Formats: sequence, C-alpha cells, structure tokens
Amino acid sequence: DAGVIQSPRHEVTEMGQEVTLRCKPISGHNSLFWYRQTMMRGLELLIYFNNNVPIDDSGMPEDRFSAKMPNASFSTLKIQPSEPRDSAVYFCASSSAGFNEQFFGPGTRLTVL
Amino acid sequence: GNSVTQMEGPVTLSEEAFLTINCTYTATGYPSLFWYVQYPGEGLQLLLKATKADDKGSNKGFEATYRKETTSFHLEKGSVQVSDSAVYFCALRDSNSGYALNFGKGTSLLVTP
Repeated sequence: DAGVIQSPRHEVTEMGQEVTLRCKPISGHNSLFWYRQTMMRGLELLIYFNNNVPIDDSGMPEDRFSAKMPNASFSTLKIQPSEPRDSAVYFCASSSAGFNEQFFGPGTRLTVL
Repeated sequence: GNSVTQMEGPVTLSEEAFLTINCTYTATGYPSLFWYVQYPGEGLQLLLKATKADDKGSNKGFEATYRKETTSFHLEKGSVQVSDSAVYFCALRDSNSGYALNFGKGTSLLVTP
C-alpha cells in the first residue's frame, strides 16, 4: 500500500512567486495534517482537516498561506506570494482518525530565493 | 501551553553503545507521549508511544517509560547499530484536542562502525 505521497520533493522559486505543494493521503484516511519544519522552530502544525473540512488552521502563518482539500484523496498548500522566510520542509500526514497514528509523507523541501 | 524539550544534538556513538535521549514535557491534563524517527530523506515514522503514566513503549529495541512525576519520556536502547542513525523527535498529544502533536526540535544521532 502506498504511503502518503507529496509532490514536488524539492521546489526552488524566487520571492514573490506562487508555490503549490500537493499531498495524496493514504486511501481510507479521513484526517490530514500539514506541518512545517525549520531549524529555528522545529515541526509546527499548520492546518488539520477532518473529512475534507478544515478543523484547525490556527497554525497557518498569515494570509499568504492557504490550504484546500477538495476531496478525500488530494490536498494542496499554497503560498502566494512566497518569501525567503517560507523556506522549510513541508510535511503532509494522514491518519484514519484525528487521534490515531499519523503517517507522514517524505516532505517537500522549499527554497525561496 | 504544551511543550516538549529534547536534549541538543548531535549525538555520536560507536556501534553497540548504550543510547539515551532525554525528553521532558509540559502539558495540561494527561497527554499521550510519542517518539518519532526520521531517516535521511524520509518523513517521520512512529517509533513508540505511551498513553498513560508508567506505561512503557517499546519497538525495535528502543524503550521509553512515561514518568509523570518527572514529566519525562527518555528514549533508550541498549546497543545501537549504524542503521539507527537518524533524527529522533519526542512529541506529545494533548488529551483535550485529541489530534494536535507538539514536537520537540529533534535530536540527531550518528552511529559509527
């Protein structure tokens, strides 16, 4: 069974550009999480979806960040416009319920120049 | 609020040495505690967990005991292998929210032959 799939694995862009990160959760999982990992702040939860509905977006840094989950098998995290301080590794995770084990994807390493 | 503090790394050990990675936490209520491992280029994987005081989680030779009196969840392994080289994250899940994971900043372990 495929795990959580994220694309792209690496993204290099210039400041001001729009960036879209993609995630396909494990089939049958109804909870999806987006995390950001930086050296300074470690791993932070950005947003949590349950049954495709955003439940907690308190970790989204600012209005430049938006996340959607149009169906149970796909989610996007968009940054517009991107800034150098957005450079980080972004992880997507899914679980069969919010309180069950979270399975992480391999991450997208974003570099904003 | 909730927080997790891990010992600073990197930790470098010789093969077959004893490993301890310290983790302490601050939380309201009765959190569940976790250790995740991240191998190079991969996402986080759940290594072990404990859901109540005095529980011992164990997996792949690693152990950690939930100590409420010292608010600690130290990770131990009696004999490390080169393949254990990775970054280890301690995390807690609040009993109130049910889903949010608070991670420590991670401890990098390098095991040399």
